[in-house]
Amino acid sequence: GIQVEQSPPDLILQEGANSTLRCNFSDSVNNLQWFHQNPWGQLINLFYIPSGTKQNGRLSATTVATERYSLLYISSSQTTDSGVYFCAVYSGAGSYQLTFGKGTKLSVIP
Amino acid sequence: ETGVTQSPTHLIKTRGQQVTLRCSSQSGHNTVSWYQQALGQGPQFIFQYYREEENGRGNFPPRFSGLQFPNYSSELNVNALELDDSALYLCASSLASGASEQYFGPGTRLTVT
Repeated sequence: GIQVEQSPPDLILQEGANSTLRCNFSDSVNNLQWFHQNPWGQLINLFYIPSGTKQNGRLSATTVATERYSLLYISSSQTTDSGVYFCAVYSGAGSYQLTFGKGTKLSVIP
Repeated sequence: ETGVTQSPTHLIKTRGQQVTLRCSSQSGHNTVSWYQQALGQGPQFIFQYYREEENGRGNFPPRFSGLQFPNYSSELNVNALELDDSALYLCASSLASGASEQYFGPGTRLTVT
């Protein structure tokens, strides 16, 4: 099956700093989602992005499907951005399951 | 618009017992998927239900089974619980099967002792 790798696994930022999280995938995908998992376990949808670039406030995402990667940019980080960020992909004919990476754990310190 | 809800929030069971977890999909969504998330890992796909039929299954044994009801709510049943079944169980709903955007509930944390 498809492999999804996220980097870095852990990231510590000072409040106000910018960061880039990367997601590489081993095969072509039909779609891709980015999530933020808060400390209580809730997965919050950030982006649904098969290709191109989307922006939502301080966050933006870019997927280059032909090169099999996606990037999540966080600007002017805040302590509430802390948590685990997951990339998940749909692949294969009739794809119905999301395959997740292991996540990037982000800690933003004041 | 009501989001995805799950019950119970937490559950403690003994090895060998059976458990049922419940999920109500977001309004207007007809597809429900279940995922298991072990500590420190990403969620892993268990199965998906679309219009009350199992639409696809991940690499989980038959003691993991499910149902979807006419109102699109769903249950996950796990028989003969093992210690390794301790995890966060997440339900997600979507507008349709296939590569539709999935929206997750808050999860049920199951501990097997």
